[in-house]
Amino acid sequence: SQKIEQNSEALNIQEGKTATLTCNYTNYSPAYLQWYRQDPGRGPVFLLLIRENEKEKRKERLKVTFDTTLKQSLFHITASQPADSATYLCALPVWMFSGGYNKLIFGAGTRLAVHP
Amino acid sequence: DAGVIQSPRHEVTEMGQEVTLRCKPISGHDYLFWYRQTMMRGLELLIYFNNNVPIDDSGMPEDRFSAKMPNASFSTLKIQPSEPRDSAVYFCASSLADRPYNEQFFGPGTRLTVL
Repeated sequence: SQKIEQNSEALNIQEGKTATLTCNYTNYSPAYLQWYRQDPGRGPVFLLLIRENEKEKRKERLKVTFDTTLKQSLFHITASQPADSATYLCALPVWMFSGGYNKLIFGAGTRLAVHP
Repeated sequence: DAGVIQSPRHEVTEMGQEVTLRCKPISGHDYLFWYRQTMMRGLELLIYFNNNVPIDDSGMPEDRFSAKMPNASFSTLKIQPSEPRDSAVYFCASSLADRPYNEQFFGPGTRLTVL
C-alpha cells in the first residue's frame, strides 16, 4: 500500500534561516502533490500544489520541489519568521481503481518552530 | 463564504454515550470528507461523500461509527456507543471536485474527549 513519510522530529530553526521539510513516498507515482499548513487547534490549510512535470513551484517565500525519481518532495521556507511556526503536511492523491475516484492521503506532518 | 463550519468545537462525554458531530460544507462543493486526527495515527480519512452519496467508507473504524449527508449543506458523523479510544479531533473538509489537483478546505475540527 501507499506510504508517505515526513520527518516526525520537530524542526527548530533560527529566524531568517531557510527551513527545509521532506516528504518521501513509496509504492506509487502521483501526478500531483499538495502541501498544507496546520496551526494548533485548527484544520489544515492548503498552501501549494505541484505537478509531476514541474520540478519546482514558488509562492512568495515558499518553494516546493518534486523529484519523481527519488519519490520525494522538499518544502522550503526562506527568510523564516516565528509566524511560520506550524505543522506542515504533504498530501498525495491516490487513484482508487475500484471506485473510479481520487483519495487524498496525508503524511503525519512535520512541526516547524522558528525561534526569534 | 464562511468556510466549512463544524459543531460543536469541543465535546466531552462519557463512555457509552452517543455523540453527533455536525458539518456544513462550503456552498457549491460536491465532495465532503470526514477525517480523524490523533498523535499516533495522524490524519485518517473516515468517509467520503460525493453529491450526498457515500463513495468510500473504508476508513470508518467499526459499526459504532455512522455518517449521513441528508442534503448538500449538512452532514453528521455519529458514534454510538462512544469509547475512550474514540478521543481525537474530527475534521470535516469539502472540495469542489475530486481531481488530484483539487484542494480540500477543512473546518476547525471538533475535539472529542470520551471519559
